Amino acid sequence: DAGITQSPRHKVTETGTPVTLRCHQTENHRYMYWYRQDPGHGLRLIHYSYGVKDTDKGEVSDGYSVSRSKTEDFLLTLESATSSQTSVYFCAISDRQGAYEQYFGPGTRLTVT
Amino acid sequence: TQLLEQSPQFLSIQEGENLTVYCNSSSVFSSLQWYRQEPGEGPVLLVTVVTGGEVKKLKRLTFQFGDARKDSSLHITAAQPGDTGLYLCAGASQGDSWGKLQFGAGTQVVVTP
Repeated sequence: DAGITQSPRHKVTETGTPVTLRCHQTENHRYMYWYRQDPGHGLRLIHYSYGVKDTDKGEVSDGYSVSRSKTEDFLLTLESATSSQTSVYFCAISDRQGAYEQYFGPGTRLTVT
Repeated sequence: TQLLEQSPQFLSIQEGENLTVYCNSSSVFSSLQWYRQEPGEGPVLLVTVVTGGEVKKLKRLTFQFGDARKDSSLHITAAQPGDTGLYLCAGASQGDSWGKLQFGAGTQVVVTP
């Protein structure tokens, strides 16, 4: 299994508070992705990174920001959490060798009350 | 907008039966991947197909990529309870340089003893 960890694994927070989720990899892969998973929607891309300090928006980026200051860490921040951001968040990594295979972390379950 | 449509959404079968899951799109993909996800975990890559018409076998699982690279199917022979899970297809769009994937909403498969 690819070495990907996510922290925290579970979090409950109140509406309006900032929240930061962390993804850490030990594979030295260049590409990292943040997804959210909701029933009926599958996995939707929030933001992605193609190198240190190089990031771009995905299809559901509103209300989220990211940072990548080191190859191994990719942070996702909810600037002011809302109930619609209650979801399960997954981080994925890819080295783009082959056909874009991605390897996923265990996920963070976030509840915004 | 879901570019990849999976069907059926839910499938419940008895151990020993066969099943097929479909993944369809109007878009052409440079590659297509299948993942399996179990509760509380991240998706795990099963296979990648890259050539139109390609067929790959992984033990009792057979994956096919359509000739036009717009669709794919997953066939499980003699299903076992261990095959229970959420099956996700994901496609890499032609011309995408960042390894982004479009995911289907998933097919929940339940195999009962």
